[in-house]
Amino acid sequence: DAKTTQPPSMDCAEGRAANLPCNHSTISGNEYVYWYRQIHSQGPQYIIHGLKNNETNEMASLIITEDRKSSTLILPHATLRDTAVYYCIVEGSGGSNYKLTFGKGTLLTVNP
Amino acid sequence: DVKVTQSSRYLVKRTGEKVFLECVQDMDHENMFWYRQDPGLGLRLIYFSYDVKMKEKGDIPEGYSVSREKKERFSLILESASTNQTSMYLCASSLEVAGGTGYEQYFGPGTRLTVT
Repeated sequence: DAKTTQPPSMDCAEGRAANLPCNHSTISGNEYVYWYRQIHSQGPQYIIHGLKNNETNEMASLIITEDRKSSTLILPHATLRDTAVYYCIVEGSGGSNYKLTFGKGTLLTVNP
Repeated sequence: DVKVTQSSRYLVKRTGEKVFLECVQDMDHENMFWYRQDPGLGLRLIYFSYDVKMKEKGDIPEGYSVSREKKERFSLILESASTNQTSMYLCASSLEVAGGTGYEQYFGPGTRLTVT
């Protein structure tokens, strides 16, 4: 069973903020939320992760709701190069092999 | 910046050949991974290594072996390539941090292998 639910696709205008939602209603207390993206024909790229507090780095911000059942990845000023499939992944601490399980993700298309 | 490099972007091999895919990371990461990615099947873990000379099977190890003689290098070996091993192969690395954040993985650009 999928741990996360994401919309299959979204559009965003260049220069505007892209807000990508993710539902993870069955998340447990020791599980983190990770975001990756994959640009066509390239390897996946780690973006950000969080446990319960909001996080920000040079690429994006991650907002996690207080009940931790959903989160939003925010790209503050989307560019054409941000067009990619974005994956929201929930994984716990202490995993034996840190296998990443990618779902179908959200195809974000940034339009000029 | 973390850099994970893979020896080839594209590779064409014949059925039955022995194939070596090399991966090198420059960030002193303990963990290294080999995945394959196929349309409709997502990423699947082939092998994982958590230290030099240490390895653990992933979900689909059959037909593959790995070698980790040095911390920065993790090799995937197809003992006798078959057409069903045609795929995109992705190497990744991560730091071993208490609390299990080895899920923060850095991927190489991938090797698209075609077996004819």
